[in-house]
Amino acid sequence: EPEVTQTPSHQVTQMGQEVILRCVPISNHLYFYWYRQILGQKVEFLVSFYNNEISEKSEIFDDQFSVERPDGSNFTLKIRSTKLEDSAMYFCASGGGLQETQYFGPGTRLLVL
Amino acid sequence: GEDVEQSLFLSVREGDSSVINCTYTDSSSTYLYWYKQEPGAGLQLLTYIFSNMDMKQDQRLTVLLNKKDKHLSLRIADTQTGDSAIYFCAHLPNNAGNMLTFGGGTRLMVKP
Repeated sequence: EPEVTQTPSHQVTQMGQEVILRCVPISNHLYFYWYRQILGQKVEFLVSFYNNEISEKSEIFDDQFSVERPDGSNFTLKIRSTKLEDSAMYFCASGGGLQETQYFGPGTRLLVL
Repeated sequence: GEDVEQSLFLSVREGDSSVINCTYTDSSSTYLYWYKQEPGAGLQLLTYIFSNMDMKQDQRLTVLLNKKDKHLSLRIADTQTGDSAIYFCAHLPNNAGNMLTFGGGTRLMVKP
């Protein structure tokens, strides 16, 4: 069964450093998403991406965040200058169409020191 | 904004039924979802229901939707120790594009 994959599973970084989280969505999906879950809190929407551009973003997704689909298979989330409060589990998801079911990857646990 | 609430914790004995509840505030819903998260793992889609349905059954899982009360429940029949996990309900409002709003999750503990 096709699934969303994410790398790395864990990442530790120093405050102020740039990180890139990688995702491979399900191959025939057209919509891609990033969510995050700070420890003990709810899963929060960050951004959705369709047709090579951002279609929606939340207030969390400020200028420090960017997304890219550098080739036909990868979808990345870049945090330019990490802050302590960026420590969270980051989930990538993909879906086949607008308002269709979103399938989630296993997550990347990011720890900013 | 949209709010989705769940109780934090549920403990049941193996073989019993589990009922996990969820309430939401935005009535303009399209789909409502249940995801399962096992320790250290991602969000696994369990089932979903479209807002014009009252009930959906899928093997041991039964989803009930009360649109008037904005209440969603997930019933797991014959609960097994492997069902121990955190269960998230998620709501896709009609006017929110593809932004899923999640509840805080209910931790289900199944005792042998």
